Amino acid sequence: GAGVSQSPSNKVTEKGKDVELRCDPISGHTALYWYRQRLGQGLEFLIYFQGNSAPDKSGLPSDRFSAERTGESVSTLTIQRTQQEDSAVYLCASSLSGRTYEQYFGPGTRLTVT
Amino acid sequence: GDSVTQMEGPVTLSEEAFLTINCTYTATGYPSLFWYVQYPGEGLQLLLKATKADDKGSNKGFEATYRKETTSFHLEKGSVQVSDSAVYFCALILSGSARQLTFGSGTQLTVLP
Repeated sequence: GAGVSQSPSNKVTEKGKDVELRCDPISGHTALYWYRQRLGQGLEFLIYFQGNSAPDKSGLPSDRFSAERTGESVSTLTIQRTQQEDSAVYLCASSLSGRTYEQYFGPGTRLTVT
Repeated sequence: GDSVTQMEGPVTLSEEAFLTINCTYTATGYPSLFWYVQYPGEGLQLLLKATKADDKGSNKGFEATYRKETTSFHLEKGSVQVSDSAVYFCALILSGSARQLTFGSGTQLTVLP
């Protein structure tokens, strides 16, 4: 079946603009995660959804970052007033439930803020 | 806080060489441990996992043993292939947590023919 998909694959934006990144999880997966991977670093957790609620937003780096999820499907990560330090690969993952260990990752969106 | 420290890269080996990538962790509870792999141009994939002390995870010739006494989960393979060239990430999840993975910084492996 289809894996996790993300769009766009690449995004170049000017500093100060808003961007929206989209994630389509695997059908039937109730848990969804966003991570950020800066160049040469490991992945940082941003936010976790169980269904359409977000019990853990602890990783969002600032109030410029927000995310929502429609039911148990698509999620959107929005970054307002982008800064150069937001440049990174943003990865989405889904898992069958919040209790299962295996997270399936999408290919990521590479964001470049100029 | 919880953290994962893994061997600095990049690592370059000849085909059929023995591979070890070190990984140690710090966690307040009893984590489950993972190795993820990212092949060039592809997304992260789960390579293997271990959910309790002394468990050994294995897949595709790779192995890692959960050592609670040394808080380690080193990745090993007896004979690497060119196709193993990738970035390898060690990670943990705390039991009872919100299930987010905590990752190490990744180790780039290049295997030369």
